Amino acid sequence: EAAVTQSPRNKVTVTGGNVTLSCRQTNSHNYMYWYRQDTGHGLRLIHYSYGAGNLQIGDVPDGYKATRTTQEDFFLLLELASPSQTSLYFCASSDGISNERLFFGHGTKLSVL
Amino acid sequence: QQNVQQSPESLIVPEGARTSLNCTFSDSASQYFWWYRQHSGKAPKALMSIFSNGEKEEGRFTIHLNKASLHFSLHIRDSQPSDSALYLCTRAGNSAGNKLTFGIGTRVLVRP
Repeated sequence: EAAVTQSPRNKVTVTGGNVTLSCRQTNSHNYMYWYRQDTGHGLRLIHYSYGAGNLQIGDVPDGYKATRTTQEDFFLLLELASPSQTSLYFCASSDGISNERLFFGHGTKLSVL
Repeated sequence: QQNVQQSPESLIVPEGARTSLNCTFSDSASQYFWWYRQHSGKAPKALMSIFSNGEKEEGRFTIHLNKASLHFSLHIRDSQPSDSALYLCTRAGNSAGNKLTFGIGTRVLVRP
């Protein structure tokens, strides 16, 4: 099964802090995604990418930057973290954008105090 | 943004019973439909997909899709305690950049 690894597993920062969430997939998938999951909102897409150097805007991009440095690595950046960004963040990868299943990492729990 | 609505929000079923979950979508051009399952504290994992009208069965799980009524559903036969999880439905179109949109989810608890 496809392997998607996220780090860190847990992160606590303060308002205004700078946070980078990392994701690596080892199955040469073309697409990588960052989602946030919140009670009452489900999974919401922040940013996604279909290859190294590519970035596409998702449904809730405000306050987030992302960068795909290689086929394997996708990073999510919060440059001025706010309490509203406290959430569970999932990275995922897939071969296709809609007709292929997503493989999710185990998630990063971020708390912004 | 494409809209996906799930119902019910939660349900409790006795072990061995049939569980039925519903999903409605707003975009009639939707082509790809998936159900994901997320056990507590774990990552979501793809369960089943359907890409054309009708029914698809895999073991105890059956998906129905009716594009005309903008509705698809998941049915679990002989529900087990291990089926207790959050079930997420999702859809996507076939145009470039048409990404998956997830519903909020239905939380299922199967009581022994």
